[in-house]
Amino acid sequence: AQSVTQLDSQVPVFEEAPVELRCNYSSSVSVYLFWYVQYPNQGLQLLLKYLSGSTLVESINGFEAEFNKSQTSFHLRKPSVHISDTAEYFCAVSDRGDYKLSFGAGTTVTVRA
Amino acid sequence: DAGVTQSPTHLIKTRGQQVTLRCSPKSGHDTVSWYQQALGQGPQFIFQYYEEEERQRGNFPDRFSGHQFPNYSSELNVNALLLGDSALYLCASSFNLPGLSSGANVLTFGAGSRLTVL
Repeated sequence: AQSVTQLDSQVPVFEEAPVELRCNYSSSVSVYLFWYVQYPNQGLQLLLKYLSGSTLVESINGFEAEFNKSQTSFHLRKPSVHISDTAEYFCAVSDRGDYKLSFGAGTTVTVRA
Repeated sequence: DAGVTQSPTHLIKTRGQQVTLRCSPKSGHDTVSWYQQALGQGPQFIFQYYEEEERQRGNFPDRFSGHQFPNYSSELNVNALLLGDSALYLCASSFNLPGLSSGANVLTFGAGSRLTVL
């Protein structure tokens, strides 16, 4: 069974600074990879996903993540954060052929002015 | 276009009681998954329903059961509640694309039902 490790539980960052959220998963079988974001009192929303093809995927609001098969990682980055990026971020993995997502414990990003 | 709707948003029960949580999927979606999110943890997969059948189940006891109706809405039932069942219960819907592994389908989550067991 997949396990997902998000290496940082809390990441404080100043506005306009870069941020990186780390995610590693356990199994090297073919996988689908996702980052979801959860704003206070809201449901999880898809931020970006890797299904196949280019290992670098981007979201519409400036986030990007890179799939590294050899290191079983899918780290999330943004070169310049905004106050509105304050939220909890979850990395999730699904084995190909499986129906469920396995989530990490989440990383809380707090952006300060 | 309404997204995923869950009810109730909050509820308090006592140990040993039973609870039913309800979910209406996003319009056009035919698959419903349920997740349990304990405080400070990521969501844990409970089960997924498709075509009114439980298609896959996570590592949860039989006290957790569900149902999917012909209109694709779903219920999660938990019997004999324990203190450890206190959590946010998330419903997520998706559309089962033919020929695409279900794990690739993007989930749309509801805001959740927060259950407190005293």
